Amino acid sequence: GAGVSQTPSNKVTEKGKYVELRCDPISGHTALYWYRQSLGQGPEFLIYFQGTGAADDSGLPNDRFFAVRPEGSVSTLKIQRTERGDSAVYLCASSPTSGLTYNEQFFGPGTRLTVL
Amino acid sequence: GEDVEQSLFLSVREGDSSVINCTYTDSSSTYLYWYKQEPGAGLQLLTYIFSNMDMKQDQRLTVLLNKKDKHLSLRIADTQTGDSAIYFCAERKAAGNKLTFGGGTRVLVKP
Repeated sequence: GAGVSQTPSNKVTEKGKYVELRCDPISGHTALYWYRQSLGQGPEFLIYFQGTGAADDSGLPNDRFFAVRPEGSVSTLKIQRTERGDSAVYLCASSPTSGLTYNEQFFGPGTRLTVL
Repeated sequence: GEDVEQSLFLSVREGDSSVINCTYTDSSSTYLYWYKQEPGAGLQLLTYIFSNMDMKQDQRLTVLLNKKDKHLSLRIADTQTGDSAIYFCAERKAAGNKLTFGGGTRVLVKP
């Protein structure tokens, strides 16, 4: 079956612009996660959705970052007034549930964001 | 992240065993994971271990967990060139579902 997909695969923007990154999770997965991976580092958690609601947004670095999942499926990560330090690969993952099992998170290929 | 640390690089000869080490700080971690990242590909879950276990074997992979020392290792037997990648350990805390990743260990397998 289809895995997690993310669009665009690459996004180049100028400092100060607004960007939207899209994630299509695996069909039927109720949990969706956004992570950010800077060059040479491991992924860092941004936000987690259970259904339509953000269950944990403790990783969002500041109020320029916002994410939505209005229908409990597709999610959009929105970054306002982009800064050069926002340049990274933004990873999306989904999992069937957020229960007590090992809860494998399936990752998409990421969107590479470059802010000039 | 700062909570999970790994060595940066490992070089191994094809056919030998690789051992990748990881330390974490949160004793409340419930599950610990090993992910593999290859160029141009997404993160792939290799294996995981529940915190009340001390060993798990899955084909060529052996995970050892020393909960007292908060030390996790991944052993890859008979390492192949296709095992060249970046390996991340990650912990999942009891209180949530987010993963905290280490910085990754780049494994280079030489023929």
